[in-house]
Amino acid sequence: QVQLQESGPGLVKPSETLSLTCTVSGGSISSYYWSWIRQPSGKGLEWIGYVYYSGSTNYNPSLKSRITISIDTSKNQFYLKLSSVTAADTAVYYCARGYYDRSGHFYFDYWGQGTLVTVSS
Amino acid sequence: DIQMTQSPSSLSASVGDRVTIACRASQSISKYLNWYQQKPGKAPKLLMYAASTLQSGVPSRFSGSGSGTDFTLTITSLQPEDFATYYCQESYSTTFGQGTRLEMK
Repeated sequence: QVQLQESGPGLVKPSETLSLTCTVSGGSISSYYWSWIRQPSGKGLEWIGYVYYSGSTNYNPSLKSRITISIDTSKNQFYLKLSSVTAADTAVYYCARGYYDRSGHFYFDYWGQGTLVTVSS
Repeated sequence: DIQMTQSPSSLSASVGDRVTIACRASQSISKYLNWYQQKPGKAPKLLMYAASTLQSGVPSRFSGSGSGTDFTLTITSLQPEDFATYYCQESYSTTFGQGTRLEMK
């Protein structure tokens, strides 16, 4: 059974960089699109971006200028860096496995439990 | 950008009821539409992909339909564990709907 676990600081100061790690266990990190999704309290889901196991990336255009998502297949981990954070970046951050099926349908089939990151001084 | 609009935003129903949640895309997305269920404090769970294909392990009382711009998620004979928030997601630009909260009447 594939499991994902987010880790990282729960509090980040405004203007600094938010850094999170997602550790994948129970399955291969190859051939999937490893994703970050966030959810402000009481609000909906926002896809942040993904990294393919090869290292190629795709980001949400609205966040693209501030995001870096990377992967270390030797450690079965992938990472999120979000720069110049503000209070609007306060949210639960989820990592998830993205999968493209043979027909091109893309969906998130495994999720981490989520980690709350608060941006505050 | 593709916009996804769900209706209603919230819905009250009773155990045993049949409920339908709608999701509309701002442009045609063929059948590139997925549904998730989220319970309070938990991560979303994939229910359905490709508009109508049930994810493994999801009960058959859940069904999906639609193509193009209009889609529906139907739950027949609501069970207590079905009260949750439901999200649609299109898989062209990975945009989620705003969610539909299903509450117990």
